[in-house]
Amino acid sequence: EPEVTQTPSHQVTQMGQEVILRCVPISNHLYFYWYRQILGQKVEFLVSFYNNEISEKSEIFDDQFSVERPDGSNFTLKIRSTKLEDSAMYFCASSDRGKGGNEQFFGPGTRLTVL
Amino acid sequence: AQTVTQSQPEMSVQEAETVTLSCTYDTSENNYYLFWYKQPPSRQMILVIRQEAYKQQNATENRFSVNFQKAAKSFSLKISDSQLGDTAMYFCAFIRQGAQKLVFGQGTRLTINP
Repeated sequence: EPEVTQTPSHQVTQMGQEVILRCVPISNHLYFYWYRQILGQKVEFLVSFYNNEISEKSEIFDDQFSVERPDGSNFTLKIRSTKLEDSAMYFCASSDRGKGGNEQFFGPGTRLTVL
Repeated sequence: AQTVTQSQPEMSVQEAETVTLSCTYDTSENNYYLFWYKQPPSRQMILVIRQEAYKQQNATENRFSVNFQKAAKSFSLKISDSQLGDTAMYFCAFIRQGAQKLVFGQGTRLTINP
């Protein structure tokens, strides 16, 4: 069964460094998402992406964050200058349609630790 | 803004028992969808069950069923004949019609004991 994959599973970085989190969505899906979960808190929406552009973003997704689909398979989240508060689990998801009722398939997550 | 609340941080039951996880939500929307996602330890979230708000009939998927009370804005998950493999974090989530953003509750950690 097709799955969303994410790499790396755990990333440790120094404050101020740039990190790129990678995701491979399910191959025939057209809508892509990033969510994050700070330890002990809710899973929070960051951004959705369709047709090579951001379709919706949250207030968390400020200028430090960017997303890209550099080729036909990868979907990346870049944090330009990491802060301690960026430490969280980051989940990628994809869906075949963007309508509200369609299932979003999640990856296993990348645990980001900022020191 | 929509909010989702799961008031039970942790629950524990014996194998084969029935367990109910609670979820309430707040929205002014009339058309929306509700979900329960399961996240086993060290694995990705998978969809357990989905409910369309316009449907009065409660969704069921094998041993999993929901009690959807639209007026009360309540969406509980019942797991019948619980199995060890049901041990996981369970998230309730909301999405309004036409949106792309899932709104999650805090999660309930469910442990099924042998």
